[in-house]
Amino acid sequence: GAGVSQSPSNKVTEKGKDVELRCDPISGHTALYWYRQSLGQGLEFLIYFQGNSAPDKSGLPSDRFSAERTGGSVSTLTIQRTQQEDSAVYLCASSSTGTGFSNQPQHFGDGTRLSIL
Amino acid sequence: GDSVTQMEGPVTLSEEAFLTINCTYTATGYPSLFWYVQYPGEGLQLLLKATKADDKGSNKGFEATYRKETTSFHLEKGSVQVSDSAVYFCALGGGSNYKLTFGKGTLLTVNP
Repeated sequence: GAGVSQSPSNKVTEKGKDVELRCDPISGHTALYWYRQSLGQGLEFLIYFQGNSAPDKSGLPSDRFSAERTGGSVSTLTIQRTQQEDSAVYLCASSSTGTGFSNQPQHFGDGTRLSIL
Repeated sequence: GDSVTQMEGPVTLSEEAFLTINCTYTATGYPSLFWYVQYPGEGLQLLLKATKADDKGSNKGFEATYRKETTSFHLEKGSVQVSDSAVYFCALGGGSNYKLTFGKGTLLTVNP
């Protein structure tokens, strides 16, 4: 399809393990965003990429969280030494750039539901 | 900082009832305003948007008007259907702020 694709759709892992979540944005979209959706906190911004650069990482909750983007396309969000409070749905979005890019809507994937046992 | 406040649910309506979900915001600059919808088991979908004051966004029978004087972007639909049952999120972004700031979401249930 032509939408944002995320994998895996569900991930269950033990506390202390590392996890990698993948996002494949809409073709041609140079802006990519990661958000986290949890019951207590609602939807929280994590990190923003423009191309392969991340000008804003301000939402990453701790240094256990990192993300990268290669080739201006696929992005990976990595959580090291997972904790139970990391359990949430991790959403990826992408948007196009151009004149007034900041008004371009963000298109979301279906998310990865992460459960830490 | 920027923030969005939307009415807390859950909201339960009968089919063909009128829907209003209130949304107000605080922001610096001139943000764009969005309504996103999340159907059960699915990701967020853009429902409608407005990019400047007095703009009206509309889609699938839903409407919202960007009111700068009241800093509001209330979502309305004249006659809801069972298929409209979902969680609705109001959000702001744009201007110098590329990231979206979301409200906490409103769960709508429409009964036949």
